[in-house]
Amino acid sequence: EPEVTQTPSHQVTQMGQEVILRCVPISNHLYFYWYRQILGQKVEFLVSFYNNEISEKSEIFDDQFSVERPDGSNFTLKIRSTKLEDSAMYFCASVLGAGTEAFFGQGTRLTVV
Amino acid sequence: GQNIDQPTEMTATEGAIVQINCTYQTSGFNGLFWYQQHAGEAPTFLSYNVLDGLEEKGRFSSFLSRSKGYSYLLLKELQMKDSASYLCAALPAGSYQLTFGKGTKLSVIP
Repeated sequence: EPEVTQTPSHQVTQMGQEVILRCVPISNHLYFYWYRQILGQKVEFLVSFYNNEISEKSEIFDDQFSVERPDGSNFTLKIRSTKLEDSAMYFCASVLGAGTEAFFGQGTRLTVV
Repeated sequence: GQNIDQPTEMTATEGAIVQINCTYQTSGFNGLFWYQQHAGEAPTFLSYNVLDGLEEKGRFSSFLSRSKGYSYLLLKELQMKDSASYLCAALPAGSYQLTFGKGTKLSVIP
């Protein structure tokens, strides 16, 4: 069964450092997302990406964040200068089309120290 | 804006039936999803309702009333492995992003 894959599964970084989280969405899907979940809290939307551009972003997705689809398969989330409060599980998701279910990757647990 | 409410925790007995409720208020509405999330893992899709009524899928059923802004997830013949968080998520009109509730942590006891 096709799946969304994310790397790394865990990342520890020092405050102020840049991190890049990587995702390979399901190959024929058209919409790509990043969500995050701070420990014990709800899943929060960060950004959606369609047709090689950002289609929506939340208030969380400020200038420190950026997304890229550098080739036909990878979808990355970059955090330029990490803060302690960026520590969370980051989930990538992809959707075939409007109104269909989102498939989530297993997540990257980011710890900022 | 979006507001989604569901109970924080529930406990039920193995073999029993449990109903997890969700109310939502969204500016426009395109559908309601239920996801299961085990601790430390990714959400996995359970059901999607866009029209009023009941959708049944094995031991799991989901109901939607658009006029009442209300949904429930029904789990039958509970198994220990059903212990997890159950996330209600709304798809607002004109948007492709899911807005999640805080999740209901279900504990299944022997």
